[in-house]
Amino acid sequence: GESVGLHLPTLSVQEGDNSIINCAYSNSASDYFIWYKQESGKGPQFIIDIRSNMDKRQGQRVTVLLNKTVKHLSLQIAATQPGDSAVYFCAEDAGNMLTFGGGTRLMVKP
Amino acid sequence: KAGVTQTPRYLIKTRGQQVTLSCSPISGHRSVSWYQQTPGQGLQFLFEYFSETQRNKGNFPGRFSGRQFSNSRSEMNVSTLELGDSALYLCASSPGTGYTEAFFGQGTRLTVV
Repeated sequence: GESVGLHLPTLSVQEGDNSIINCAYSNSASDYFIWYKQESGKGPQFIIDIRSNMDKRQGQRVTVLLNKTVKHLSLQIAATQPGDSAVYFCAEDAGNMLTFGGGTRLMVKP
Repeated sequence: KAGVTQTPRYLIKTRGQQVTLSCSPISGHRSVSWYQQTPGQGLQFLFEYFSETQRNKGNFPGRFSGRQFSNSRSEMNVSTLELGDSALYLCASSPGTGYTEAFFGQGTRLTVV
């Protein structure tokens, strides 16, 4: 079946720099996308979402970009802090169920 | 308001046994979804309940089942446990109507020995 890109790369950034985490999805019918952050020993925590009728949405220090043409999502974190270190997952809502990507581990160097 | 509560946090079971996990959603939320998280397969959808009815089911064997009560609390059961069932089981709560974010609990870490 269709899935959101399954791989777990690691992104290492310097504290204060901007981070960009990417995600590919394959279900062109998906209408809603969410980014989650998961710290060790905890459940996923909602960061930001975007509907398919938008291509950009901004939150506090985070921005999500959606490119439906190439089925690509990205999460931008401004001024990355040590507390941002975690695994980040993108997810698509396929109708009352979430399909998750494999995740990206973000490591912030002080 | 209180978040999503999952019990127990940790569980060790023997192969062949069965297990029941519990999830209490955020007050007012009517949808509860269950996910299995493993290092090899990532986060995979098990099933979703809304107002005591299963609305969606993932691609898991019939050994995995669930139910939802009238107060929206949900339980999932795994029978005839296998070593491969060792995982973090996560429950997510949402209002259940329209596109809204799902809030996750801390999960139940199940180890099958």
